[in-house]
Amino acid sequence: GAGVSQSPSNKVTEKGKDVELRCDPISGHTALYWYRQSLGQGLEFLIYFQGNSAPDKSGLPSDRFSAERTGGSVSTLTIQRTQQEDSAVYLCASSLALGASNQPQHFGDGTRLSIL
Amino acid sequence: QKEVEQNSGPLSVPEGAIASLNCTYSDRGSQSFFWYRQYSGKSPELIMFIYSNGDKEDGRFTAQLNKASQYVSLLIRDSQPSDSATYLCAVQGGDSNYQLIWGAGTKLIIKP
Repeated sequence: GAGVSQSPSNKVTEKGKDVELRCDPISGHTALYWYRQSLGQGLEFLIYFQGNSAPDKSGLPSDRFSAERTGGSVSTLTIQRTQQEDSAVYLCASSLALGASNQPQHFGDGTRLSIL
Repeated sequence: QKEVEQNSGPLSVPEGAIASLNCTYSDRGSQSFFWYRQYSGKSPELIMFIYSNGDKEDGRFTAQLNKASQYVSLLIRDSQPSDSATYLCAVQGGDSNYQLIWGAGTKLIIKP
């Protein structure tokens, strides 16, 4: 597709369940980013990938969060044993290259996660 | 810690006037500066970016960068109600050249 694609667009689940969020970046974009945005708040950086590698995982809120990227394309963000504070919009973005000046990030429509 | 500061607003501007949005940043080594617009319930969309001191114009939008004073601004001429949104400033480069450092955004309201 032409843009960043995220699925599902909405996810409602019970506390304690695991969830998996998917991001398909723009074709040819090697860098991929995950953010979280709570209602009325700014963007919280979670993790980035250059290719399949994620050198810096310090932005992940807890060890319940993990992310992977295979084949240098699709990425999944997994949240285990979900808590109510995990409720937020999870945004994925991609850019042509990592660390290159003037390479803007392009966002998907996000996954709205609600933990009951 | 690298910071990007924006006035949260809301900034209320009458239709047809110029809206001025400001952003300051702490990392003097920052190289690229981005403005995104985010409508309520939507994801951020890129408006424009700037990396050289001075002004950069794109239609009704002008980005202004002053690296010595470490601020970047966005001017919106002939403001329209459809410009009502939250505007996010993001800064790239310096020590954290692999990611954007985001401001919390300024909510802009254009009153008809």
